[in-house]
Order: sequence, then structure tokens, then C-alpha cells
Amino acid sequence: NAGVTQTPKFRILKIGQSMTLQCTQDMNHNYMYWYRQDPGMGLKLIYYSVGAGITDKGEVPNGYNVSRSTTEDFPLRLELAAPSQTSVYFCASSYADTQYFGPGTRLTVL
Amino acid sequence: GESVGLHLPTLSVQEGDNSIINCAYSNSASDYFIWYKQESGKGPQFIIDIRSNMDKRQGQRVTVLLNKTVKHLSLQIAATQPGDSAVYFCAGTYNQGGKLIFGQGTELSVKP
Repeated sequence: NAGVTQTPKFRILKIGQSMTLQCTQDMNHNYMYWYRQDPGMGLKLIYYSVGAGITDKGEVPNGYNVSRSTTEDFPLRLELAAPSQTSVYFCASSYADTQYFGPGTRLTVL
Repeated sequence: GESVGLHLPTLSVQEGDNSIINCAYSNSASDYFIWYKQESGKGPQFIIDIRSNMDKRQGQRVTVLLNKTVKHLSLQIAATQPGDSAVYFCAGTYNQGGKLIFGQGTELSVKP
């Protein structure tokens, strides 16, 4: 099993650009999550999904959108990127409580 | 609102000593807790978990203690090694598959 994979690893965006962060898991987990981690801080939940076709907002959803058309994939969309969205983004999945994390995407908005 | 917090942002220990990292939580309904290890440039890695019906759980060189009375949990690492240097996060939740609330993390440095 590859576990949770994320692409790209790094990305630099200009203010106002948009992009999609990809996340795929091969563990057949129902639950998937997107977090952001700012320097020296813990993880903050952006969006989560309890199954295909179902998504819900987390703690910091503004400026982001998600979709969950399949069990495996949970892409995160940034529209109109802003410097405040400079962060490291982690995707995670779980069967029950224990969440397994991907390696992260480091995003810089200039 | 709910919070999970760590007591110290940094901890420095000598190689071979035991390390203790502490965490407090605010929601008495929290029934599941996890400790994660995050090395530089990597995603959080699961270390050990504990449910609220337990006071103690042991893994390989790690022990988690849960004190529900004072809403406190700790991670003990025995015979700390240089490879244990990382940031450690505690997280808690109160419903299955639900949202984990993360603390800010404690950076553990191991001196040779």
C-alpha cells in the first residue's frame, strides 16, 4: 500500500491564481481530511469527508473548496490564492479514529 | 471552544534519558487521544493512541498515560535516542471518524 499520497510536493503561486492539491489513498478509508499547518503551529482542519459525495467544513474553510467523487480521491481547490494561504497542507484518511497522513504540499503565495 | 494544548513548546534531553511530554485537553467528552511524531519536512506519523476507558497504554519504548480527572495526558519515551528528535503532537476527538483537535506541538531535541 502506498498509503496517502499528495501532489505536488511544492508549489509557488502568484496572488489571485488558483490550483488544486491532489490527495489519494489506497486503504479504502471512508474518512478523509485536509489540514493546513503554519510554521510552529499545530494542524488546523480545513475540510473533511465521511464518504464519497459527502463533505463538510472544518475550522478554517474560507478560500478553499473540496469534492469527493470517489472513495480514493479528495482534491482541495484554492481559488484566488492569497498570501495568507502560504502554508503546508496535509491530507489524511482514516477508517475509524486513527488518521494517517500524507507527506504534505508546501505552498507559497507571492 | 475545545482545545488541546501542550505544556512546553520545547524539550531538550540527554541521549539515553527518559522523556516526558505533557498535554492538556478541555473537552471532558473527549474519548480518544493520539500522539503523533512529525519529523522535519514530513507528515505526522502515528505513535500511540489511548481510549478514555484506559489509564495507560504501552508500546515499544513509549507509554501514554491518561488522567481524566485533571484532563491531562502524557507521552513517555524510554531511553531517548537521537532518532526521537522531532515535534510531538497530541490530538483528541469525541466521535468516531470525527475531527481531531490538535495541540501546538512540543519539539524534542536529543543531545548526544
